[in-house]
Amino acid sequence: DTAVSQTPKYLVTQMGNDKSIKCEQNLGHDTMYWYKQDSKKFLKIMFSYNNKELIINETVPNRFSPKSPDKAHLNLHINSLELGDSAVYFCASSLRTSGGDEQYFGPGTRLTVT
Amino acid sequence: GNSVTQMEGPVTLSEEAFLTINCTYTATGYPSLFWYVQYPGEGLQLLLKATKADDKGSNKGFEATYRKETTSFHLEKGSVQVSDSAVYFCALSEGSGNTGKLIFGQGTTLQVKP
Repeated sequence: DTAVSQTPKYLVTQMGNDKSIKCEQNLGHDTMYWYKQDSKKFLKIMFSYNNKELIINETVPNRFSPKSPDKAHLNLHINSLELGDSAVYFCASSLRTSGGDEQYFGPGTRLTVT
Repeated sequence: GNSVTQMEGPVTLSEEAFLTINCTYTATGYPSLFWYVQYPGEGLQLLLKATKADDKGSNKGFEATYRKETTSFHLEKGSVQVSDSAVYFCALSEGSGNTGKLIFGQGTTLQVKP
């Protein structure tokens, strides 16, 4: 059974389009995250939700809007896509927001904007 | 702000060689420290962690000790295998605020040759 799943795995789209990435976890965790990995493999947090409440929003352009319909799902919608949005986006979850908790990562969504 | 610095890669070793990947951090408070591993085309997996000073994390032959006096969390393995080829990320989770936010180093690519 997949613990953290993301769809789609690959997303190729043109500048100016709007797209969504979906994430689901079946671990019963309270907290979910979105990370962006750039072409040099550097990882940076974008958002975090705890029990459907936004707790981290890291200076991300407001073209990015996360939505958590329930604590098992955290989706990422991106408006007016730009070339610089090309990256791999990872969803993750953890039991709580405690600093010592392990985060479980999804397989990633590779977004290519042309 | 808090930050993590890892040694530059790529690191290329022969099978059965000794591995060290250096990691140092800057943080206020008492962060938890992690090593995550990313195999090609996959998401990140927790390799090991330590939540307080002098703790040693270990898993699959890898070890790292939380050294508060030198603000370091170096990863070591006595004898690497070809299957250890991956990107290794050192990370910290801030001790205060309890957001679960992970701050990653830039990643170190390890290539092990037969």
